[in-house]
Amino acid sequence: KAGVTQTPRYLIKTRGQQVTLSCSPISGHRSVSWYQQTPGQGLQFLFEYFSETQRNKGNFPGRFSGRQFSNSRSEMNVSTLELGDSALYLCASSLQGSKNIQYFGAGTRLSVL
Amino acid sequence: AQTVTQSQPEMSVQEAETVTLSCTYDTSESDYYLFWYKQPPSRQMILVIRQEAYKQQNATENRFSVNFQKAAKSFSLKISDSQLGDAAMYFCAYRSGNNNDMRFGAGTRLTVKP
Repeated sequence: KAGVTQTPRYLIKTRGQQVTLSCSPISGHRSVSWYQQTPGQGLQFLFEYFSETQRNKGNFPGRFSGRQFSNSRSEMNVSTLELGDSALYLCASSLQGSKNIQYFGAGTRLSVL
Repeated sequence: AQTVTQSQPEMSVQEAETVTLSCTYDTSESDYYLFWYKQPPSRQMILVIRQEAYKQQNATENRFSVNFQKAAKSFSLKISDSQLGDAAMYFCAYRSGNNNDMRFGAGTRLTVKP
């Protein structure tokens, strides 16, 4: 079974631009969660999608948004990029509920110049 | 709010020796899960071990075991017979039984010396 796939692996953007990151979960997994990892703040939960609906949301500004498609693939969008958005963005998938293990992708490294 | 604390930013162990990584957490919930994840330089988070809060027995996965002290809210990871491939960042994580919001500690960087 293929693991969680995140694309692209690396991205370079400039301030003010917007960016879209993609995550394909493990086949059969319906829950997708997104995390931001930075040296200063560590790993922080962004949001979770389940069956195309946002089920949980972390404490991030509205510039961070996401969606999930009917095939469970998910995208995360960041608008009006700031330097502080430079981070590793990790996606994790699980079967459905909180009782299931989350499996992580290798992440997308976003650099904002 | 739930918080996870890893008080050891860095740890070092000799190959074949045993090392214990510490983790404490704070919660008022009774239904939750605790995890140890490993993040090697490749960046991919790999699950090492999981513990359900309602289980008193400590989880074990081959050379990895935990010491789960629920009353003390402590969840340490013991790595036996350390191998060079164990070198990585180790994150302790908490997840509520009610949602998929996972809270991570700051991580412990483990170095394994040959």
